[in-house]
Formats: sequence, C-alpha cells, structure tokens
Amino acid sequence: KAGVTQTPRYLIKTRGQQVTLSCSPISGHRSVSWYQQTPGQGLQFLFEYFSETQRNKGNFPGRFSGRQFSNSRSEMNVSTLELGDSALYLCASNPGLADTGELFFGEGSRLTVL
Amino acid sequence: QQPVQSPQAVILREGEDAVINCSSSKALYSVHWYRQKHGEAPVFLMILLKGGEQKGHDKISASFNEKKQQSSLYLTASQLSYSGTYFCGTGGTSYGKLTFGQGTILTVHP
Repeated sequence: KAGVTQTPRYLIKTRGQQVTLSCSPISGHRSVSWYQQTPGQGLQFLFEYFSETQRNKGNFPGRFSGRQFSNSRSEMNVSTLELGDSALYLCASNPGLADTGELFFGEGSRLTVL
Repeated sequence: QQPVQSPQAVILREGEDAVINCSSSKALYSVHWYRQKHGEAPVFLMILLKGGEQKGHDKISASFNEKKQQSSLYLTASQLSYSGTYFCGTGGTSYGKLTFGQGTILTVHP
C-alpha cells in the first residue's frame, strides 16, 4: 500500500508570492490533516478535512487555506508569503471513521521563503 | 494549549531506560505519542484514551493519568533505533486535530 505522498518536496518562494502544496492520502483514507513544523513553534495544526469538508481549523491567519477533493486528495494554499512561513508542511491521513487514532504522515513539503 | 514535555532532551547508552512526560493544563481525552527521526516523517507509537488501559509496543509503553492530566512514555532497554524526537499530542474526538508538545530529543549511544 502506498503511503502519503506530498508534492513538491522542496520549494523556494519570495515574499508576497503564493504557494500550493499537494497531498495524496493512503488509499481509502478519508481524513487529511495539515501541520506546520518549525524549530521555534514545533508541530502546529493547520486544518483537517474529511469527505471534502473542513472539520477543524487551527489558529492560522486567513492566508492559509485548504481544500479536499472527492478522491480525498488535498491541497493547501498560502497566499502573500511571509518569511515566517518558511517551514516543513506535513500532511497526515487516517481512515476518518472508527479508526485506531494513528495518523500516517507524509515526508512533507519544505518551503523556504526569501 | 500546548502540552508540556519533559525532559527536553535525554542522552542514553544502549540498554538504559528513559521516561518522557507529557502534561496538560486541560482535561485530556486522548494522548498520542509519535517519534520523528531526523529528516523523516513522524511515526505513530501509540494512543491512550481516557478511561483506557496502559498501552505497550515492544519495549515502549505508556501510561495515562487522567486526574493529573499527564501521560508518560517508558522506553526500556533502549536501542540505537530509539533515537529521535518524541512528541506527545493531545486530541479530542477527531484524531486528525492534535496539539503537540514541543518534543523531547532522545539520543542513544552505543
């Protein structure tokens, strides 16, 4: 079974630009969550999607948005990039219902904002 | 609110034991433990639910004290492969939304 796939793995942007990150969950998983990981703030929850609906949202500004498609694939978008948005963005999937609680993380998309 | 982990870092020799603690100021519904090796994705270790039993995973086990709002991760007879950063996460009924602690860096030397 293929794991969680995130693309791109690395990207460099400049301030003010926008970026879109993609996540393909494990086949059959209906829940996708996004986390931001930085050395200073650690792992912070961004949002969770289940069956194309945002189920939970973290404390991030409106510049951060996401969506989920009917095939459970998810994208997150960050607009008007700031230097502080440089981070590893991790996507995690889980079955979504009656699951074991295990989140399956992808290897992440490392964003550098210059 | 972010749970607090202690210690922040621990260094062990192979075969030694370690305990990592996770405390929350909020009532806990579930506690999740993950390990992340450098440059890799976090990997699930175990989940403890309110009212549930102590869990075990090979030589790694954990407990959950609801009254104290604490969880502890026990690593016995540590191996080199245990090295990494351990995170505890607290969650509600939706396991996709976790609030993680700042992490504990565990280093095991030969």
